[in-house]
Amino acid sequence: GDSVTQMEGPVTLSEEAFLTINCTYTATGYPSLFWYVQYPGEGLQLLLKATKADDKGSNKGFEATYRKETTSFHLEKGSVQVSDSAVYFCALSDRHNNNDMRFGAGTRLTVKP
Amino acid sequence: GAGVSQSPRYKVAKRGQDVALRCDPISGHVSLFWYQQALGQGPEFLTYFQNEAQLDKSGLPSDRFFAERPEGSVSTLKIQRTQQEDSAVYLCASGRQGRVAGELFFGEGSRLTVL
Repeated sequence: GDSVTQMEGPVTLSEEAFLTINCTYTATGYPSLFWYVQYPGEGLQLLLKATKADDKGSNKGFEATYRKETTSFHLEKGSVQVSDSAVYFCALSDRHNNNDMRFGAGTRLTVKP
Repeated sequence: GAGVSQSPRYKVAKRGQDVALRCDPISGHVSLFWYQQALGQGPEFLTYFQNEAQLDKSGLPSDRFFAERPEGSVSTLKIQRTQQEDSAVYLCASGRQGRVAGELFFGEGSRLTVL
C-alpha cells in the first residue's frame, strides 16, 4: 500500500543553519505530496504541497520539490529560526485511494539561538 | 466554526470503560477523517467519511472501535471496553470536496489515557 518514509529525528540546529528533512514515498497511483507541521501545543497544519511531478511547494521560506524519478519530497529551508522548532510530517494523498492522507512518522526539529 | 473542534481535549479512562470522542468539522466540509497518533509517531489512518457515508474503515484496529457521522457534520469516535494500548491522541480532520490536492484541516486532538 501507499506509504511515506521520512528522516528520523530529532534534528537540532543552530539559528540560521540550513535544514533538510528527507522524505520518500511509495504509491501505486499519482499522489499529491504534503508537508504538515505541528507546533508545540497545536494541531497539525499544512506547510506546503505539490500535486504533480516537478512541482515545487513553498511557504514561510520552506521548499520541497516533487521528484517522481526518486520518489522523494525533501523539505528544505536555507536559514532556520527558533520559531521553526516543531514536528514536521511528510504525507501523501492518492486520488485512487479515497483521498485519505498517509503520514510519515514525523521529524522533530529544535532550533537553538 | 472557524476550525475543527474536538472534545474532550483530555480523557482518562479506566480499562474496560467505554469512551466517546467528538469532532465538529469546519462547516461545509464534506470529507472527515479520524487518525490515531501514538506518542512520537505520525498519525495513523482510522476511518474516512464523505458526508454521512463511511467510505473506508480499514484502519480501525478492532471491532471495539466505531465511528459515525449520522447527519454528515459532527462525528463521534467510540471506543468500547478500552485497553491500555488504546492510549493515544485521536485526531479529526476535515476537507473540502473536489479538492484534487486533498488538503486537510486538523483539530487539536483528544488525548486518551487508559489506566
